[in-house]
Amino acid sequence: KAGVTQTPRYLIKTRGQQVTLSCSPISGHRSVSWYQQTPGQGLQFLFEYFSETQRNKGNFPGRFSGRQFSNSRSEMNVSTLELGDSALYLCASSFRGGASAGELFFGEGSRLTVL
Amino acid sequence: SQQGEEDPQALSIQEGENATMNCSYKTSINNLQWYRQNSGRGLVHLILIRSNEREKHSGRLRVTLDTSKKSSSLLITASRAADTASYFCATDVPERGSYIPTFGRGTSLIVHP
Repeated sequence: KAGVTQTPRYLIKTRGQQVTLSCSPISGHRSVSWYQQTPGQGLQFLFEYFSETQRNKGNFPGRFSGRQFSNSRSEMNVSTLELGDSALYLCASSFRGGASAGELFFGEGSRLTVL
Repeated sequence: SQQGEEDPQALSIQEGENATMNCSYKTSINNLQWYRQNSGRGLVHLILIRSNEREKHSGRLRVTLDTSKKSSSLLITASRAADTASYFCATDVPERGSYIPTFGRGTSLIVHP
């Protein structure tokens, strides 16, 4: 079974630009969550999608958005990039058959550097 | 804000020694998970312990959960250099009918050969 795939792995942008990151979950997983990881803040929850609907959203500004497609693949977009957006963006998928969070399967992440 | 906080922030030991890291959390949980992250990589799930369980084992890993103290510990026995990584606890936080795994800042473990 293929794991969670994130693309691109590395990217460099300049302030004011926008970026789109992609995540392909494990086959059969309907939930995709996104996290931002920085040395200062640790892992911060961005949002979760389940069956193409955003089910939860973390405390991030509206510049951060996402979507999920019918095949469960997900994208997240960050507009008007700021230096502080430099981070490792992690995608995680899960089956989420129950109400409680189960094991998350993470991708290798997309390392974004904003200059 | 972080739901779970790991302690210590950093731990340095020699190969063969045991490593113990702790996690404290603030609100009631349904389950608690431990994950491992090698530098700059994705997280890998290690073990999940439910709120009605007190102890769980998986290979060289032993996890305990004390819901009265809102704390958990992860013990790695007979550590190896390959165990060098960051370790995170994640607790589920209820949000609008579903649960979001919320992570602490992690414990950075270095195992010297």
